[in-house]
Amino acid sequence: QSVLTQPASVSGSPGQSITISCTGTSNDVGYNNYVSWYQQHPGKVPKLIIYDVTYRPSGISDRFSGSKSGNTASLTISGLQAEDEADYYCSSYTTTPSWVFGGGTKVTVL
Amino acid sequence: QVTLRESGPALVKPTQTLTLTCTFSGFSLNTGGSCVTWIRQPPGKALEWLGRVDGDDDIYYSPSLKTRLTISKDTSRNQVVLTMTDMDPADTATYYCARMIDGKDWFDPWGQGTLVTVSS
Repeated sequence: QSVLTQPASVSGSPGQSITISCTGTSNDVGYNNYVSWYQQHPGKVPKLIIYDVTYRPSGISDRFSGSKSGNTASLTISGLQAEDEADYYCSSYTTTPSWVFGGGTKVTVL
Repeated sequence: QVTLRESGPALVKPTQTLTLTCTFSGFSLNTGGSCVTWIRQPPGKALEWLGRVDGDDDIYYSPSLKTRLTISKDTSRNQVVLTMTDMDPADTATYYCARMIDGKDWFDPWGQGTLVTVSS
């Protein structure tokens, strides 16, 4: 069982916006702005798309955005495209110290 | 360009010890605050963080696996080694190494991963 809770699946039509939540505790997500998000296409290596809650690495589309409120972080994909169909994972630093992942969310473009 | 590559056996038997090597280039563990972390992913399942080593010999382990894990580094060869004892079929997974930077809490880039199957 993963430490961070994500919905198993989220779907949307092309052009729509979807949001994926990532819920933890005050010892991880709520501790500081140390949440990152990864996109993983089938059979591929995970790819960093958001770090420090809101920042995008160079080359990542601005259709991806992150936010956080309390112990819950969120990833929003705007203008959903077919290429966005993938699994998405959140990760957070914890006070142990260690790092943890969410259970992953499968995004389906209808 | 930063690259990482995992290597090791594709098949191990239950109760055996797994040894994986992460060979990296484009950075050094001695400078710049770089760290190497290990992450695994069972087939069809979620990512799981295993541990991390940095240039100051600080090593962090997953609390749930720390009794079975050892991470070491050979800075002269740009390699980090993961050892996991008492392997079980539940440890069947793709094992990844990735770069971190001390004080930063994200994993980028990742190696291609190596699939390890535990079976008799």
